[in-house]
Amino acid sequence: QKEVEQDPGPLSVPEGAIVSLNCTYSNSAFQYFMWYRQYSRKGPELLMYTYSSGNKEDGRFTAQVDKSSKYISLFIRDSQPSDSATYLCAMGVDDMRFGAGTRLTVKP
Amino acid sequence: DAGITQSPRHKVTETGTPVTLRCHQTENHRYMYWYRQDPGHGLRLIHYSYGVKDTDKGEVSDGYSVSRSKTEDFLLTLESATSSQTSVYFCAIRGGEENGYTFGSGTRLTVV
Repeated sequence: QKEVEQDPGPLSVPEGAIVSLNCTYSNSAFQYFMWYRQYSRKGPELLMYTYSSGNKEDGRFTAQVDKSSKYISLFIRDSQPSDSATYLCAMGVDDMRFGAGTRLTVKP
Repeated sequence: DAGITQSPRHKVTETGTPVTLRCHQTENHRYMYWYRQDPGHGLRLIHYSYGVKDTDKGEVSDGYSVSRSKTEDFLLTLESATSSQTSVYFCAIRGGEENGYTFGSGTRLTVV
């Protein structure tokens, strides 16, 4: 079993839809949780950062962490075609572990 | 990309040859990382550095070595390239503990 599990998709939604992306993990020691967005043939870029449990909102993006269930989520409201990318969850600090990524397509 | 550059961007090499990839940063960050990205596996840590001459192994370090003689440069060497090392290699830097990583644009390496 991988330390971080993420459904690879692909996920296709119409423009304006609410998107839910999820990851589960097994290491209860993780305290830092992040979401990265990666466009084709580019490096990942940090999208959201959360410390410990709770919610964090930034514009159309909301990150949730439930440490009791070892489950993290990223919600995208009013999705746009420009949101089409691969989304990677990540956790840890020095030895950061990444999910395999979920490929999202938002259709106009 | 926010003061981090990788070179070369693309490389094709033959099995058994040594290969060195370079990561250069202008942010003066202490922490630097080398990852490889493969379909179905996501990003996996090869080696990382927490200062000049201070390095440690990651999850998939076999067949790779690193060096950091200056704060700004972190080199990844494939000692004897194999086809299983065909991948996209990303370098990343980190500021403080509460900062995420900033990634370079990647090096696409093909070993034939």
